[in-house]
Amino acid sequence: DADVTQTPRNRITKTGKRIMLECSQTKGHDRMYWYRQDPGLGLRLIYYSFDVKDINKGEISDGYSVSRQAQAKFSLSLESAIPNQTALYFCATSDTGTGSRNIQYFGAGTRLSVL
Amino acid sequence: AQSVTQLGSHVSVSEGALVLLRCNYSSSVPPYLFWYVQYPNQGLQLLLKYTSAATLVKGINGFEAEFKKSETSFHLTKPSAHMSDAAEYFCAVSVANTGNQFYFGTGTSLTVIP
Repeated sequence: DADVTQTPRNRITKTGKRIMLECSQTKGHDRMYWYRQDPGLGLRLIYYSFDVKDINKGEISDGYSVSRQAQAKFSLSLESAIPNQTALYFCATSDTGTGSRNIQYFGAGTRLSVL
Repeated sequence: AQSVTQLGSHVSVSEGALVLLRCNYSSSVPPYLFWYVQYPNQGLQLLLKYTSAATLVKGINGFEAEFKKSETSFHLTKPSAHMSDAAEYFCAVSVANTGNQFYFGTGTSLTVIP
């Protein structure tokens, strides 16, 4: 089983719909992240959480919200989806610490299409 | 502020030829540097990392990268390309004073020609 699991893997929705992407991890990490990937733009950080009570906006948080339900679960919501939110979304986790512990582990991604 | 520049969004090499993917970073403090690989329809997988130990870092699948502070570079190399190396490669930088947030480059797509 994967250490970082994202559901669903693929989703097609319509403009204006609310949608939630879920992420769970079995690595025991405190830190979790949501990114979106667009061709030619690389990965951009949407939100990150350093523990259950610590949630922070990333570079492109507008139009998104998150919920950290538990150490192992971090959900991303699009309250009213719009077509330019069509992208590949990744969840990642990392340990608390620096140096060799400062590695991010990624899920397989959720491909979202907003029509 | 931290940033990463990957020169060349697409690189093509012949099978057996040298692979060189370029990455330059900007950081006001000593950085941690990473290379990730993304195969089609998969997430990102760590290839190698630099965390202030040896400047020449060896990773998986025969890849290595050298940290050059004077050039603010962390280029990825492999002596002989295999068909299985075809993928998207991302360079990333992280620094302690930003809570170890990662900043990714825009990626380089590597094509290996038989």
